Formats: sequence, C-alpha cells, structure tokens
Amino acid sequence: QSALTQPASVSGSPGQSITISCTGTSSDVGGYNYVSWYQQHPGKVPKLLIHDVTVRPSGVSDRFSGSKSGNTASLTISGLQAEDEADYYCNSFTSSTTWVFGGGTKLSVL
Amino acid sequence: EVHLVESGGGLVQPGGSLRLSCGASGFTFSRSWMQWVRQTPGKGLEWVSRIKYDGTTTTYADSVKGRFTISRDNAKNTLYLQMNSLRVEDTAVYYCAKSDWFDSWGQGTLVTVSS
Repeated sequence: QSALTQPASVSGSPGQSITISCTGTSSDVGGYNYVSWYQQHPGKVPKLLIHDVTVRPSGVSDRFSGSKSGNTASLTISGLQAEDEADYYCNSFTSSTTWVFGGGTKLSVL
Repeated sequence: EVHLVESGGGLVQPGGSLRLSCGASGFTFSRSWMQWVRQTPGKGLEWVSRIKYDGTTTTYADSVKGRFTISRDNAKNTLYLQMNSLRVEDTAVYYCAKSDWFDSWGQGTLVTVSS
C-alpha cells in the first residue's frame, strides 16, 4: 500500500492554470475510475473537490477539474485565486479493496 | 447538514489501547460506508479502515491490520475504532469520513502515543 506519488509543491500566479499529478499503478489509479481529490487549508479538515476521476460535487467551483490517463490522474485548477493556496491530496481505490492517498501537494499562489 | 463528531482521543503509552467514536447526524448513517483516516501533525493523510453500511465488510491498512478494529452501531448512528497495541507511529489526528467519496469529514481527534 505505497502512497500515490504527487509533486511536493507547485506554484502559480493569480489567473493562471496549474495541474497536479497523482501517479499510481495498474492496481489502483490505472485500474479503477475511483480517484478523488481533496483540498485542505491549514488547520482545516479536507474538503472533497472531485470524485470518480471527473465528477465535481455540488458547490465546488468549476475551476476545479479532474482527468486520468493510464496510471496517472490529474487535478487542474484554472483561474488561480489566492484562496486556492492549500494542500491537495489524491485518493484511489485499490485492488486490495483498500484506499490509498497521495503524499500531498502544497500549492502556492504567488 | 452532515455532521460528524469524533471523540475518545488522548495520551496513551505504547502498547496501550483506545477506542475512538464518531457520532453521525444529518444523513442516513445505516446506508453509508464509513471510513477512518489519520493525519500525522504537519504531514499527509493515511487511510486506516473502512466498514460497509451494515457492518458485514471491513478492510484495514496494512499498518494497522491485526491491531485496530472498526465497528458501527447503526441504532446509535455511531462509528468506532478500537485501537490496541498502540505504537508511537500511530500518533496522529484521526478523522472519520462518510462514504467511499470521503465527502464529509469530522473535525478529528488527536491520539498521542508516548511514554
């Protein structure tokens, strides 16, 4: 149950778009369309942004979008805003019927 | 509105036990898979355990298998995590979360394992 691989940090300027990758294996990300993304501000609980690779829950801004290609899932944030500065985590179902999170990515809005 | 409230955390010595509880409201608890997730202070999220809505299926992370037991009482709308043989590396904030989407989270309860 190794953690999914995410970049430790990404950065962007207001208005730009950024993409955070989440790499796993054919036993997790590549094998199932059960990838989710979460946003966590300092001192706060995680918030669901995307589930089932591309589905955005009601109330989540359409600036957040998800995709997947092979063993890598991606979260794209368009029109970057200062409030987007946070930690982001991916999550995937696995062939062991468990869940595995990514190591997290710190997004800085410059 | 979904509301999840964890309790039962605290300071325990290595080898000791704790039972965490998670009270749920605002949704049909008896129809929802539930999860436990932990987060070491300043670090990332780690999935711990999962239980089916009727309690008949449970799964665990390798790091806690054989030491932790997840359970639920649908009559009380409460989720539990019995933690035995605790280790220093189990120190973390423990969250309960709703469904396989982890779409709602409690505020967490801190478990500190230290001598």
